[in-house]
Amino acid sequence: DVKVTQSSRYLVKRTGEKVFLECVQDMDHENMFWYRQDPGLGLRLIYFSYDVKMKEKGDIPEGYSVSREKKERFSLILESASTNQTSMYLCASSTVSWGSYNSPLHFGNGTRLTVT
Amino acid sequence: AQKVTQAQTEISVVEKEDVTLDCVYETRDTTYYLFWYKQPPSGELVFLIRRNSFDEQNEISGRYSWNFQKSTSSFNFTITASQVVDSAVYFCALSESGTGGFKTIFGAGTRLFVKA
Repeated sequence: DVKVTQSSRYLVKRTGEKVFLECVQDMDHENMFWYRQDPGLGLRLIYFSYDVKMKEKGDIPEGYSVSREKKERFSLILESASTNQTSMYLCASSTVSWGSYNSPLHFGNGTRLTVT
Repeated sequence: AQKVTQAQTEISVVEKEDVTLDCVYETRDTTYYLFWYKQPPSGELVFLIRRNSFDEQNEISGRYSWNFQKSTSSFNFTITASQVVDSAVYFCALSESGTGGFKTIFGAGTRLFVKA
């Protein structure tokens, strides 16, 4: 089974801090994603990456950046955390081997970030 | 623009009841994929099913069944003889072929409570 591991389950940070959320997958997937989940809004795509050192903005990239230096690792960076970034952050990965690019996503357990 | 609507925010049933979770989608693409994911209390979203826009056959997997109707842009999910372990948040999602499969749009989710 694919394993997507997020480094922290819970994080509490102060406004203005730089925050790193780490995600590692062990199945050699090409694609990796960062979503945030908020009640009533479902999951919204922040950034994704289809290859090492490649990144693309999702629907809500403002206030975030990402880094993918190795295929298995995808980091989400909050340059200066703000209270409106308090949320559940979900990392996911997928492969292109399903006969199309629309493969299912494999998710980590999530990181619940609170910014005070 | 693509959009997924799950009008039911929360559903509560008693064990052994049948329950249907509704999903309505909007897309301009002729080739697209629909998904259902389950998010149990542990937080990790789990992939349940993928259908492509050319395959309107209903799908049954054990107590789960899915009804895909392009005419009404719906992809509903039915759990037969529900069990307490079915309690979770269920997400319907859409991925258009035109986005290269990188942008999966999620509905807001339906929280299902199954009481013993």
